[in-house]
Amino acid sequence: SQQGEEDPQALSIQEGENATMNCSYKTSINNLQWYRQNSGRGLVHLILIRSNEREKHSGRLRVTLDTSKKSSSLLITASRAADTASYFCATPLSGNTPLVFGKGTRLSVIA
Amino acid sequence: DVKVTQSSRYLVKRTGEKVFLECVQDMDHENMFWYRQDPGLGLRLIYFSYDVKMKEKGDIPEGYSVSREKKERFSLILESASTNQTSMYLCASSLSDGDTQYFGPGTRLLVL
Repeated sequence: SQQGEEDPQALSIQEGENATMNCSYKTSINNLQWYRQNSGRGLVHLILIRSNEREKHSGRLRVTLDTSKKSSSLLITASRAADTASYFCATPLSGNTPLVFGKGTRLSVIA
Repeated sequence: DVKVTQSSRYLVKRTGEKVFLECVQDMDHENMFWYRQDPGLGLRLIYFSYDVKMKEKGDIPEGYSVSREKKERFSLILESASTNQTSMYLCASSLSDGDTQYFGPGTRLLVL
């Protein structure tokens, strides 16, 4: 059951540039979450944005949520080589059911 | 910090073997989850549990079973491993429904 879908599938940028990833989903949600996965490792939670929030910041991360368009974006400012990873959005399919993850965006930050 | 540990980082098994993957969390979380991750397919939910001795099927439960005898431990069992179960297996836990999930480091299973 596919809920969130990230775009683009892959992104390659230079160190210092900003990286923007998008997530679209299908049903009404209570919250949307972003996770990061370094190669061969488990996922790490980055940020959770609730359906009544439009924007949230955490360090160099900025997440927006547009419930009318059923979409979210993750912006990483002043990217570093250490930001190289896959980024996933996740939402409950309905209500508070288990999270459903998208297939992710692979970000490469070139030093 | 929440810690989720998985019994093995790498595992090699033969077709037909019974395989146990163990997951332990140390934050008294109610919910625990097992996913498998394959290239191009993302994370797919196998089973989850909302409480001790409770289990719910996810999207791809066929060929798997689970056990949750204690709150902190959630085991994934491959009754008779097959080559198409070669994958990365990820365990996660969360305090409550729809909440942040905390993941273990993953077990990369190879079935020969």
